Amino acid sequence: DVKVTQSSRYLVKRTGEKVFLECVQDMDHENMFWYRQDPGLGLRLIYFSYDVKMKEKGDIPEGYSVSREKKERFSLILESASTNQTSMYLCASRVGFNAEAFFGQGTRLTVV
Amino acid sequence: RKEVEQDPGPFNVPEGATVAFNCTYSNSASQSFFWYRQDCRKEPKLLMSVYSSGNEDGRFTAQLNRASQYISLLIRDSKLSDSATYLCVVSYTGGFKTIFGAGTRLFVKA
Repeated sequence: DVKVTQSSRYLVKRTGEKVFLECVQDMDHENMFWYRQDPGLGLRLIYFSYDVKMKEKGDIPEGYSVSREKKERFSLILESASTNQTSMYLCASRVGFNAEAFFGQGTRLTVV
Repeated sequence: RKEVEQDPGPFNVPEGATVAFNCTYSNSASQSFFWYRQDCRKEPKLLMSVYSSGNEDGRFTAQLNRASQYISLLIRDSKLSDSATYLCVVSYTGGFKTIFGAGTRLFVKA
């Protein structure tokens, strides 16, 4: 079974803090993604990576950055957390374009 | 206008009922289509891919209408365990862009 693991299920951070969300997959997938999910808005793509050290902006990259130094790990960074970044963050990976995406269990981040 | 639109529901149906969801997409260049299921407080998981010829998996049938730019999911003989949010997903050829709909909530009651 493919496993995508996110480092935390729940996080509470203060406004202005730098926040790191980690995601690891164990199936040697090329593509990895970060989404946020908010009620009524569905999943919105923040960033994705199609290979090590490669990254592309998604639909809502502002206030975020990413890092992919190793194939299995894709990190999402909130440079200076703000309350409007309170959300559920979901990491996903897939082997290729038409393939099934496998999700991590999600990180519910609250910024206070 | 959203690129992928779904009726948010909720759909409340009795056990044994047949229920259908539609999803419309705006970009005619869309090439791959999927339905995902998301249980409360869980991550989304693939339910089924949607092929041009339509496909069936047990009680679930998915269809694609390219001319009208919509996909559908039909659930027959609903079970309590079918209660979930169903996400419509559209991908574009040659790129990474995979768009999720906001989901349709289904409640199946005894």
